[in-house]
Amino acid sequence: GVTQSPTHLIKTRGQQVTLRCSSQSGHNTVSWYQQALGQGPQFIFQYYEKEERGRGNFPDRFSARQFPNYSSELNVNALLLGDSALYLCASSQGGDSRRTQYFGPGTRLTVL
Amino acid sequence: GESVGLHLPTLSVQEGDNSIINCAYSNSASDYFIWYKQESGKGPQFIIDIRSNMDKRQGQRVTVLLNKTVKHLSLQIAATQPGDSAVYFCAETESGAGSYQLTFGKGTKLSVIP
Repeated sequence: GVTQSPTHLIKTRGQQVTLRCSSQSGHNTVSWYQQALGQGPQFIFQYYEKEERGRGNFPDRFSARQFPNYSSELNVNALLLGDSALYLCASSQGGDSRRTQYFGPGTRLTVL
Repeated sequence: GESVGLHLPTLSVQEGDNSIINCAYSNSASDYFIWYKQESGKGPQFIIDIRSNMDKRQGQRVTVLLNKTVKHLSLQIAATQPGDSAVYFCAETESGAGSYQLTFGKGTKLSVIP
């Protein structure tokens, strides 16, 4: 399945963070979502075959990349208190998002 | 994009009863819909999906109904069990706009009373 690391992370305002995701075997598409407490996930990025395929309404402080083995990293610079959330990675097969997206357990980021 | 919303934020049902979770969507161009189940501390788990060329799809103990006329989606869970307790999200996507994101609603918390 989809794995994410670390499971929990505590940072202070202004710091930078890198979150990691390993996609499910055979999947070449990775999507990142931010889930605030009590809310549904919000789309951040999608990468297909190492190229950015879509970007949600997030500031440039958020960036991502996908590696040749289809794993991915999400980077957030200049952290704000409002960045505290559960960050979810989902993988799917093919660039068409109609293909089922399978989610990892998420990384819980707390910004103090 | 436009958001997907839910009519009921919480739902309590007796074990063994059927559950119905509703979802309204506003993007008439959406053509693929998915229901996810999220247990506490876990990521969303795929339950069932439906394409816009269908109005009903059945899985194991679950049925999804799609009414495109009123932009309404529902998830029916038969013989609800304690293990069904979770937050349920509907999500939608529009394949033709060049955007590949899933748009989620806020979720409905299902509590099963033993």
